Formats: sequence, structure tokens, C-alpha cells
Amino acid sequence: DARVTQTPRHKVTEMGQEVTMRCQPILGHNTVFWYRQTMMQGLELLAYFRNRAPLDDSGMPKDRFSAEMPDATLATLKIQPSEPRDSAVYFCASGGQGNQPQHFGDGTRLSIL
Amino acid sequence: RKEVEQDPGPFNVPEGATVAFNCTYSNSASQSFFWYRQDCRKEPKLLMSVYSSGNEDGRFTAQLNRASQYISLLIRDSKLSDSATYLCVVNSANDYKLSFGAGTTVTVRA
Repeated sequence: DARVTQTPRHKVTEMGQEVTMRCQPILGHNTVFWYRQTMMQGLELLAYFRNRAPLDDSGMPKDRFSAEMPDATLATLKIQPSEPRDSAVYFCASGGQGNQPQHFGDGTRLSIL
Repeated sequence: RKEVEQDPGPFNVPEGATVAFNCTYSNSASQSFFWYRQDCRKEPKLLMSVYSSGNEDGRFTAQLNRASQYISLLIRDSKLSDSATYLCVVNSANDYKLSFGAGTTVTVRA
């Protein structure tokens, strides 16, 4: 089965460090989404791309977060500088044309100390 | 008002029981509807799409009521492995974004 691949699976780092999370969407999917999930907030949409173009990043703190899609097989989410409140699970999901369902990667479990 | 609202539960049911729960959505222009399942510390996984006429997938039945803007999920003959959080998911006609409910927790006990 085709899967969305995320790396790293786990990341523990100190406050102030840069964090980069990577996602390889399912081949042929042209929409890519970044979500953050915490116990308190549930699943929040941070940003999404269609055909590599950013369509909406209103859910993302602009001062420290950035999302890019350098090519069709790679999406990145960066946090610089990281803060303890960024600790969460970050999911990447990809979807096909139209209103097709999204498929999620395993997530990156991020802990900022 | 949240775009998608769900009863958080938990619904605690014995094996073999039937459990059903709803979610409501606020955007009348919503076109696609899904149920996802999320196990503890795992990613959400698509359980089933929800079609206008209602649809069934094994022990799972989904219904859509556009007039009242709600969708439902019914699980028959529940198994221990059905214990999870069920996420109601909706998107709109002109948007690729999905709106997720906060989830309904189901616990099936032996």
C-alpha cells in the first residue's frame, strides 16, 4: 500500500533549536497538508499545498514556522526557534484530486525541552 | 461555533453490542464526508467515506442527513479492536481543506 512517509518519527531538542520535519506524499497526490495535534487542541491544520503551491498557512505561527514544498516528493515544516509550547505530534497528509480523503503519515512526535 | 461538533463520549460498550453516534457540521455547502479512526498515539486512518444514500462497510454503517446537517456512524457486533477515537470529517465544495471533529471515544469491553 502506498503511504505517506514522515521523518523523523521522534525528535527531542532544546528550546531555541531549529527543527525540520519532512514528508513524502503518496506518489500522484497533489495536495499536501501539515497538521499539529495536542491533547488540548486536537487536530489543527497548519498549512497546505496544492500542486506544490501554498494555498493556506493561516493556521501557522508565521514568526517561527515555515512550510515549503521544494518538489513534488518532499514537503518540509520548519520551526526556528523552537519553544516548549511547540511540543506536539505533527502529521503530514496527502490527498488526490477534488474532495478525495486524505491519507496521513505516522507523524513526528516533537518534544521541546 | 465549531465547523464540526461531536459528542466526545466515551461510549463504553460490551463486546457484541451496537453503538452509534453522530456529528453535526455547520457549513451547508459541505460536499464530502468521512469517518476516520484514530488509535492512541497513532495517525488518523480513513474508516469510510459517507455517501448521500448512506453506506455500509461490514459492521459499520454511515448515514448522512443533509437537511439537518449531521452524519452518523453505527458499529454493529462491536469488537475489542473497535476501541478507538472516531473522527468526523467534512470538507466544503471549493476547498481542499478538511474540518475534523474532536472525536468520539469508543471503548469496547470484554
